[in-house]
Amino acid sequence: EAQVTQNPRYLITVTGKKLTVTCSQNMNHEYMSWYRQDPGLGLRQIYYSMNVEVTDKGDVPEGYKVSRKEKRNFPLILESPSPNQTSLYFCASSFRISGTMGDTEAFFGQGTRLTVV
Amino acid sequence: GIQVEQSPPDLILQEGANSTLRCNFSDSVNNLQWFHQNPWGQLINLFYIPSGTKQNGRLSATTVATERYSLLYISSSQTTDSGVYFCAVDNYGQNFVFGPGTRLSVLP
Repeated sequence: EAQVTQNPRYLITVTGKKLTVTCSQNMNHEYMSWYRQDPGLGLRQIYYSMNVEVTDKGDVPEGYKVSRKEKRNFPLILESPSPNQTSLYFCASSFRISGTMGDTEAFFGQGTRLTVV
Repeated sequence: GIQVEQSPPDLILQEGANSTLRCNFSDSVNNLQWFHQNPWGQLINLFYIPSGTKQNGRLSATTVATERYSLLYISSSQTTDSGVYFCAVDNYGQNFVFGPGTRLSVLP
C-alpha cells in the first residue's frame, strides 16, 4: 500500500529540547516536503527536497532543519524548539515528472501534533 | 504567487442533502487535489484532478483548467463527511498551495 508514514503522531516537549519528526515514503518519490498547519494561517510549506541531498527552504523555514540522505526518508529537525512551533505538521511526497516540473498526485502523512511548552 | 480561494467558508447541511464546494485559482496549474481533513486532523486524499471530471462513490469533482476553477460535489451527505475540505494546487513550482478550506458540518 502506497503511504507516507510520520512518527510520532503526538509529541509534547519542552522549550530547547532537540527533537526529530521522521517521515518515510514507500513509493520511490523524488519530491518530499514538510508543512505546518496553524489556525487562521492554513498549511504553509517549511522545507522541500527535490531528491537525495537536494533540499531548499519553503515559506517558513526558520527554526527547522531537514536532511535527505536516502530517497525514502525526510526527517524534520527542531534543534531548539520554541512554543511558537506548536503546530500540526505534515510530510508529503510526490513523483516529479522530469522536464515539465509537474507533479503526479501528492500523498500526505497522518500528521504530527507537536506541543512545545 | 498563485492564489487559491474556496467557497463557501462554512456549510451546514442536514444528512442526506447535496452540496457543491468551489475552488478558484489565479494561475494555470499542473496539479490540483481535493482533501478532506477529518476531526482527528488527518488529510485524506479525495481527488487528483488537474483537469476533467472524476467520481468516487458519493463524491465527484470537476476541474475546468482554462477557467481556473474546480468543483467538489458531495451527494447524500453523511455525518462522517463533516470536516474541512481543502483544495490545493501546484503551478510548476516547488510549493503546493492550499486554499483556506470549507468547513462542512453534516447534522443527523
